[in-house]
Amino acid sequence: QKEVEQDPGPLSVPEGAIVSLNCTYSNSAFQYFMWYRQYSRKGPELLMYTYSSGNKEDGRFTAQVDKSSKYISLFIRDSQPSDSATYLCAMSTGNQFYFGTGTSLTVIP
Amino acid sequence: DTGVSQDPRHKITKRGQNVTFRCDPISEHNRLYWYRQTLGQGPEFLTYFQNEAQLEKSRLLSDRFSAERPKGSFSTLEIQRTEQGDSAMYLCASTPTGNTGELFFGEGSRLTVL
Repeated sequence: QKEVEQDPGPLSVPEGAIVSLNCTYSNSAFQYFMWYRQYSRKGPELLMYTYSSGNKEDGRFTAQVDKSSKYISLFIRDSQPSDSATYLCAMSTGNQFYFGTGTSLTVIP
Repeated sequence: DTGVSQDPRHKITKRGQNVTFRCDPISEHNRLYWYRQTLGQGPEFLTYFQNEAQLEKSRLLSDRFSAERPKGSFSTLEIQRTEQGDSAMYLCASTPTGNTGELFFGEGSRLTVL
């Protein structure tokens, strides 16, 4: 079993839609939960990170962590064509970082 | 720009040649990580440094791979006798010491082995 599971998609939505991206994990030792956006042939860009359970909001992006269910989510409101990218979830014990395979998102104008 | 810098951005080489990648982390970051990423996959851990000390290496890091961070600043990743299976994006990332979720990546060095 992989440390982090993420549905690869692809996911295609119309502009303005709410997007929900999710990951599950198995290691209870994870304390930090991150979301990255990666454009083709570029390095991952850190969007948000949270410590332990709870919600965090930054503009159109909301990250949720449910440690009891070992489930994390990223919501994108009012999606834009520029949001089209691969979204990677990542988790950390503090020393080591573990990544999902990424979900490919396309926002159609 | 004070982000993570990687060089070269793209390297094309013939099988059997040696290649070296360089990473300059964010200046106040003590930890530096190397990852490898292939198409459709997430980054896979290779190794990481705390200052100049290499603290952990993945089993993915065969004896053809070596990484250094001689003065605790920039780092190099060398691949000797490259194979076609080495073709991938090599990503460097850095983070401050201590418990943190903030891992910042460079733009990557893309390796193509012919």
